Amino acid sequence: DAGVTQSPTHLIKTRGQHVTLRCSPISGHKSVSWYQQVLGQGPQFIFQYYEKEERGRGNFPDRFSARQFPNYSSELNVNALLLGDSALYLCASSQQGEIYGYTFGSGTRLTVV
Amino acid sequence: GNSVTQMEGPVTLSEEAFLTINCTYTATGYPSLFWYVQYPGEGLQLLLKATKADDKGSNKGFEATYRKETTSFHLEKGSVQVSDSAVYFCALILGARKPRTGNQFYFGTGTSLTVIP
Repeated sequence: DAGVTQSPTHLIKTRGQHVTLRCSPISGHKSVSWYQQVLGQGPQFIFQYYEKEERGRGNFPDRFSARQFPNYSSELNVNALLLGDSALYLCASSQQGEIYGYTFGSGTRLTVV
Repeated sequence: GNSVTQMEGPVTLSEEAFLTINCTYTATGYPSLFWYVQYPGEGLQLLLKATKADDKGSNKGFEATYRKETTSFHLEKGSVQVSDSAVYFCALILGARKPRTGNQFYFGTGTSLTVIP
């Protein structure tokens, strides 16, 4: 079975641009969470979605938004990119958001120049 | 609030040495505790977990015991190998919350381990 798939794996953007990151959960998983991992730090929670509804939001500015589609895949959008948004963005899926069932993807490495 | 503090690295050990990575936590509820490992260029992989006080999680020779009295979850391995070189993250998630209501992990800053032959 395929794991959590994220695309693209790497990308470079310019300050002020917009970016969309994509995540496909494990088949049968209905919950997707997004985390930001800045170099040298632990991952920080951004959002959780379940059944297309936002179920949790971390301490991130409104430039960050996300959505979940009927097939349970998800997009993370970041507007007006700043240099500080450079990070590894991780997606994690679980069947229903239960705490023991999370599987992480390999991440998207975003570099803002 | 909820937070995890783990031993700063980097840690460099010779092969077959004993490993300890310290982790302590603060939590507003009753957490479950995890160790994740991240190999270069990859995402996070679950190494082990413990869901209640005095539970011992173990996997691939790694162990950690949930100590409520000291709010700790230290990672240990008796004999490390070169293949154990990676970054290790201690994390908690509140265990009392229902599924689907915004459960989130709180991660430590990570400890980089390098094992030399």
